[in-house]
Amino acid sequence: QKEVEQNSGPLSVPEGAIASLNCTYSDRGSQSFFWYRQYSGKSPELIMSIYSNGDKEDGRFTAQLNKASQYVSLLIRDSQPSDSATYLCAVTSGSARQLTFGSGTQLTVLP
Amino acid sequence: DVKVTQSSRYLVKRTGEKVFLECVQDMDHENMFWYRQDPGLGLRLIYFSYDVKMKEKGDIPEGYSVSREKKERFSLILESASTNQTSMYLCASSQRGNYYEQYFGPGTRLTVT
Repeated sequence: QKEVEQNSGPLSVPEGAIASLNCTYSDRGSQSFFWYRQYSGKSPELIMSIYSNGDKEDGRFTAQLNKASQYVSLLIRDSQPSDSATYLCAVTSGSARQLTFGSGTQLTVLP
Repeated sequence: DVKVTQSSRYLVKRTGEKVFLECVQDMDHENMFWYRQDPGLGLRLIYFSYDVKMKEKGDIPEGYSVSREKKERFSLILESASTNQTSMYLCASSQRGNYYEQYFGPGTRLTVT
């Protein structure tokens, strides 16, 4: 059974702080990793992808991948109230042409 | 602008009815997906299609079927709706060779009574 685990939260951080979202996965064959953001009542949208070990930065967002430990994380620097959303971790399922999603972490950034 | 549309935002059906959910994308994408999203369970893949008339089962295909007669349109069919199929249904699409960078529609909240 392929599994992607996330803390459901809610995670609350003050405005301007760093929000850290974590995800672990069970399939060692997974090669590609994604973070989707879902605002309340809206559909998910892709915000980050990472394919190799280490860090990948895009503006205030940094994705981190450690395949040996089977975890991927998303850091949001200088968090803003507009970052309040549910963040979904998604992982490729070995050779399958599909993503396995975690249940999401709800983030609230307090003004 | 990327656009995926779904036929209904809200739908209420009775147990045993046949239900059709329609999804249309205007991005000329080869791949299309149907997910359901339930609290605490995240997004779960029901079916996906990588070309016209081609389909593959996802993680939870039981009780569902799909149809893709045209590239831009992907339909999800509940042959005999049951209360445990009450959920949010999301359609997505992606380009050929890139199954993972998916664009989602607004979703259909289906209630089966």
